[in-house]
Amino acid sequence: EAGVTQSPTHLIKTRGQQATLRCSPISGHTSVYWYQQALGLGLQFLLWYDEGEERNRGNFPPRFSGRQFPNYSSELNVNALELEDSALYLCASSWGGSTEAFFGQGTRLTVV
Amino acid sequence: GESVGLHLPTLSVQEGDNSIINCAYSNSASDYFIWYKQESGKGPQFIIDIRSNMDKRQGQRVTVLLNKTVKHLSLQIAATQPGDSAVYFCAESRDDKIIFGKGTRLHILP
Repeated sequence: EAGVTQSPTHLIKTRGQQATLRCSPISGHTSVYWYQQALGLGLQFLLWYDEGEERNRGNFPPRFSGRQFPNYSSELNVNALELEDSALYLCASSWGGSTEAFFGQGTRLTVV
Repeated sequence: GESVGLHLPTLSVQEGDNSIINCAYSNSASDYFIWYKQESGKGPQFIIDIRSNMDKRQGQRVTVLLNKTVKHLSLQIAATQPGDSAVYFCAESRDDKIIFGKGTRLHILP
């Protein structure tokens, strides 16, 4: 069974541009979480989608947004990129809100 | 962003010894706690979880202890092996989201 897959693996953007990151959850999972992991820091919660709707978001500005598609895959969009947005962005999926979550390998976003 | 606190950022343990990684959480309303292991270049991997109605749960070579009185969580790894070298994160389920700590790096000494 395939795990959580994220694309692209690496992404380089310049300041002010937009980045789109994609996540495919494990088959059957309806929840997708997005996390930001800046160098040397823990995982900061970004967004939670379940059944196509945004259920919760962390303390990030509105330029961080996303959506979940009918097939439960998800996109994370970051607009007006800033240098501090450089980080590893991790996606996780689960069957519900508070259960075991499985992580993808992440997308390394570098803003130059 | 939010995070659950950790006592130590780095822990060095002799191979074969037991490792104990500690974590403090702040919200007494949290009802579910998870430990994750993240190896270099990989996403976090689920190790073990525990519900707030329990104070101990055992897995293969790992034990999680929960002390709700002092809001403390620990992960014990028995007979630490080189493959245990990683960053370990505790996480709590709070307000329908999973909040992670900063992580503890576990070094295995030969």
